[in-house]
Amino acid sequence: DAGVIQSPRHEVTEMGQEVTLRCKPISGHNSLFWYRQTMMRGLELLIYFNNNVPIDDSGMPEDRFSAKMPNASFSTLKIQPSEPRDSAVYFCASGPDGINYEQYFGPGTRLTVT
Amino acid sequence: RKEVEQDPGPFNVPEGATVAFNCTYSNSASQSFFWYRQDCRKEPKLLMSVYSSGNEDGRFTAQLNRASQYISLLIRDSKLSDSATYLCVVGYALNFGKGTSLLVTP
Repeated sequence: DAGVIQSPRHEVTEMGQEVTLRCKPISGHNSLFWYRQTMMRGLELLIYFNNNVPIDDSGMPEDRFSAKMPNASFSTLKIQPSEPRDSAVYFCASGPDGINYEQYFGPGTRLTVT
Repeated sequence: RKEVEQDPGPFNVPEGATVAFNCTYSNSASQSFFWYRQDCRKEPKLLMSVYSSGNEDGRFTAQLNRASQYISLLIRDSKLSDSATYLCVVGYALNFGKGTSLLVTP
């Protein structure tokens, strides 16, 4: 079975550009999570969807970040405009049903903003 | 106070040793607990869930102590391949600890 799929795997962009990260969750999973990982802050939850509906976006750093889940098999995380401090690894994870269950992570997108 | 805290390590242990990590949490309403393993430059992978009664999976044992609000992971007969960062996850608000680094040496 395919795991969580993320694209691109690496992204290098200049400050001010728009960045779009993509995620395809595991088929049949109802929950989808976007995380950001840096050395300084560790793994931080940005937003969590359940049945395609955003449940908790309190971790989204600011208005420059937005996430959508138009259907059960696709989600995007957009940063506009990007800044150097957004450089991090962004993980998407999916799970069977909500925050009290295990999650399965995608391989991540390594974002560098210059 | 941070919601989830782990000793970052690194823990350097010889092959065959037993090593234990603890993870403390502050939210007493937390209902679910997990340990994940993360290899360098890879995604976290679920190692095991932590049940109230404790649970074991081969060389790995997880325990939950609700009274003192911590979970633990015990690795017996450690292997070189156990070298990784171990992240504890406390449900409710999906708080991840920053991880404990383990290096198993020959």
